[in-house]
Amino acid sequence: DIQLTQSPSFLSASVGDRVIITCRASQGISTYLAWFQQKPGKAPKLLIYDASTLQSGVPSRFSGSGSGTEFTLTISSLQPEDFATYYCQQLNNYPFTFGPGTTVDIK
Amino acid sequence: EVQLEESGGGLVQPGGSLKVSCAASGFTLSGSAVHWVRQASGKGLEWVGRIRSKSKNYATEYAAAVNGRFTIFRDDSKNTAYLQMNSLRTEDTAVYYCSRWAIDGPSLDVWGKGTTVTVSS
Repeated sequence: DIQLTQSPSFLSASVGDRVIITCRASQGISTYLAWFQQKPGKAPKLLIYDASTLQSGVPSRFSGSGSGTEFTLTISSLQPEDFATYYCQQLNNYPFTFGPGTTVDIK
Repeated sequence: EVQLEESGGGLVQPGGSLKVSCAASGFTLSGSAVHWVRQASGKGLEWVGRIRSKSKNYATEYAAAVNGRFTIFRDDSKNTAYLQMNSLRTEDTAVYYCSRWAIDGPSLDVWGKGTTVTVSS
């Protein structure tokens, strides 16, 4: 199975900060990576797919990059509604594993 | 509005069975693969399995943790997919989400709100 690691596991940030979350895969997955946002008690919400394609309706402050084994999710200017947990998911090989998550908290 | 809605969760004893449903509205489910993902309380997301469409022979894939115990099937006439869970274990306790494989890119673009399955004596 392909393992995904995320860093950091937790970060405290302020409104307006630039936030970068990294996801690393145990083997190359081309660009078959998606990013999700999840708030407590809610279903995950797709933000980015194909490593860098912004899902329709998602604010442009979210962006993704990377290929192969290293990927990043960037929030250019953190907004109050962005405080949540973020997961990456690889869709290159079954099982479609998720990263362990990165929680973004208010500083 | 494009939506998925899970139902059928509940309390079941270890070793028991439960079937949860995933009903689609606002679109025709028959053209899409359906994936199931679960999340234990306070934990991360875990991919469970998926079923493809009729045109791809309803092919299924499962995570190792559930292979041989869980079965995914669908009834396109009811616009619904199902997750049949047998030989349930306490570690299967989780919120179970269904999601749709996106038409225009490799991703899960529509998710239900989830249904809670609790395995306990």
